[in-house]
Amino acid sequence: AQTVTQSQPEMSVQEAETVTLSCTYDTSESDYYLFWYKQPPSRQMILVIRQEAYKQQNATENRFSVNFQKAAKSFSLKISDSQLGDAAMYFCAYRSAWTGTASKLTFGTGTRLQVTL
Amino acid sequence: DTEVTQTPKHLVMGMTNKKSLKCEQHMGHRAMYWYKQKAKKPPELMFVYSYEKLSINESVPSRFSPECPNSSHLFLHLHTLQPEDSALYLCASSQGATNEKLFFGSGTQLSVL
Repeated sequence: AQTVTQSQPEMSVQEAETVTLSCTYDTSESDYYLFWYKQPPSRQMILVIRQEAYKQQNATENRFSVNFQKAAKSFSLKISDSQLGDAAMYFCAYRSAWTGTASKLTFGTGTRLQVTL
Repeated sequence: DTEVTQTPKHLVMGMTNKKSLKCEQHMGHRAMYWYKQKAKKPPELMFVYSYEKLSINESVPSRFSPECPNSSHLFLHLHTLQPEDSALYLCASSQGATNEKLFFGSGTQLSVL
């Protein structure tokens, strides 16, 4: 079974600064997807960024980028120019590319990000 | 319309009550999901429907009964719940069951007294 580990329960960053959230995962599969989801106080899970395992290039979405290290099974999220609206719980998630289990997202335990003035 | 709408937002029920949670989307998605999220924990998958057929049941107790009458609506029927069932129940949808992009609703916060 796949597992996702987020070792930082809480992080804090000053507005306009950069912060990196860590995520490691364990899998025996070669083809899969990785995601970062954000859950603000509104409780809605919002997809921040996704990475396809077969792509070597790191995904980027505006101020959000990932450092995907497949061999190390590491998938960190970098938030640049942090804004107050970035304050939320961030979940790293794994999804198999195999059809049989492709509907299942496995989440990490989350990192709560605080953004200070 | 890129929204998944869940009602009610909050629900308080006694252990002997019967209630239903509702979820709807009008994005033409053919896969819909129920997740359960306890406080300060990640969401856990409960059920997956693909083309209105139940494709995954993660060994959920029978006091939770899902229903997907059409591609736009998903229900979770609740009866004789326990206090430990108190949680945030999240609905999600995706274009297909193998499509990696899930759209989530804001959830129903359920309290069982």
